[in-house]
Amino acid sequence: GAVVSQHPSWVICKSGTSVKIECRSLDFQATTMFWYRQFPKQSLMLMATSNEGSKATYEQGVEKDKFLINHASLTLSTLTVTSAHPEDSSFYICSASRSAGTDTQYFGPGTRLTVL
Amino acid sequence: GENVEQHPSTLSVQEGDSAVIKCTYSDSASNYFPWYKQELGKRPQLIIDIRSNVGEKKDQRIAVTLNKTAKHFSLHITETQPEDSAVYFCAASKGDSWGKFQFGAGTQVVVTP
Repeated sequence: GAVVSQHPSWVICKSGTSVKIECRSLDFQATTMFWYRQFPKQSLMLMATSNEGSKATYEQGVEKDKFLINHASLTLSTLTVTSAHPEDSSFYICSASRSAGTDTQYFGPGTRLTVL
Repeated sequence: GENVEQHPSTLSVQEGDSAVIKCTYSDSASNYFPWYKQELGKRPQLIIDIRSNVGEKKDQRIAVTLNKTAKHFSLHITETQPEDSAVYFCAASKGDSWGKFQFGAGTQVVVTP
């Protein structure tokens, strides 16, 4: 149990376009989902926390208008990178928790975004 | 906020030897400490975790110890094998309604045959 999927696994887009990444919990209901960004050979940097049905909480320094997060159901959260630029190229990973505070986080396989 | 420091950044061990990775945390309210293993280009996978009401936990070749007074916890891998080669991340969480993790910087473990 506790499987998280992410789609797409990789995407290449042109500068100025928007990209949507989906994160799904396949066999459990996730009350909380997290979005991370990871640069090569670095740790996971939390971007935002989202609870189903409410607005996401963004970490300091993360632009909420650039990284739109929607947690529409207990099994789906989406991250949209708007007006992407080459500096947005990165590995984006989501995680899901059955119950924040009492359960661990289960990670998706990540999405490699390359902006040309 | 919470700050988690992880050492060493790289660790090279001979197959069959033990590996130890240490993490320290700053927020005494942290009460949940997971360890994740991440292979190149893959997702972080939970390998073991410990809560603050326990001092040690073991799962086959992997063990974690926690010293709440000193605010540090360690991952121990015994009888290392080449497939243990990966990046290992520790994390700390306050276990509150946010459930946010603060991750360490990671340790690149290389097990040589």
